[in-house]
Amino acid sequence: QQQVKQSPQSLIVQKGGISIINCAYENTAFDYFPWYQQFPGKGPALLIAIRPDVSEKKEGRFTISFNKSAKQFSLHIMDSQPGDSATYFCAASMMDSSYKLIFGSGTRLLVRP
Amino acid sequence: NAGVMQNPRHLVRRRGQEARLRCSPMKGHSHVYWYRQLPEEGLKFMVYLQKENIIDESGMPKERFSAEFPKEGPSILRIQQVVRGDSAAYFCASSSPGTLNYGYTFGSGTRLTVV
Repeated sequence: QQQVKQSPQSLIVQKGGISIINCAYENTAFDYFPWYQQFPGKGPALLIAIRPDVSEKKEGRFTISFNKSAKQFSLHIMDSQPGDSATYFCAASMMDSSYKLIFGSGTRLLVRP
Repeated sequence: NAGVMQNPRHLVRRRGQEARLRCSPMKGHSHVYWYRQLPEEGLKFMVYLQKENIIDESGMPKERFSAEFPKEGPSILRIQQVVRGDSAAYFCASSSPGTLNYGYTFGSGTRLTVV
């Protein structure tokens, strides 16, 4: 119930392509869904986040799509660049324990030049 | 304005020794969180502290692990009698009151290796 399942585990995309990472959850009490980007040797950095009252949020080349009925959300990276090569984590939390993030297992993205 | 500072960056301990990981939150942040990341896995919540108080330690192993955030000085995550399975990256995050996880800033982590 507390899990967030993330796929794929790794992803290789050509420069300029679209990277898509998917996450699914079970607990309908989750109400905040952030995505984090992590470079080797660094801590995760917040990339973009969404609340369940909207179906899509876009910030630059990054878009979150949210499907409440399917309990799924995804990250789309448009025009992927080699500098986007990193590990991406989805996460979820609940308002009544909003300090606690439940993370997916991560997707290692490689963007080939 | 320095970010969340963690030290040491790398720590090697022999089985049975103690490990002390330190975290200095961002200026103005009074909430500290510790997460553990095992190889090839996502981060797992361990503990949430405010100054001199442990708010939630539901993710802490029952034995050998403890955390504190004193009135003065950094937050400390202490692991006694380390075992190989404790080898992981330990990340600290901080936030200010009112923003909770929406304002999380993570440090660069401490990589603990138990030999």
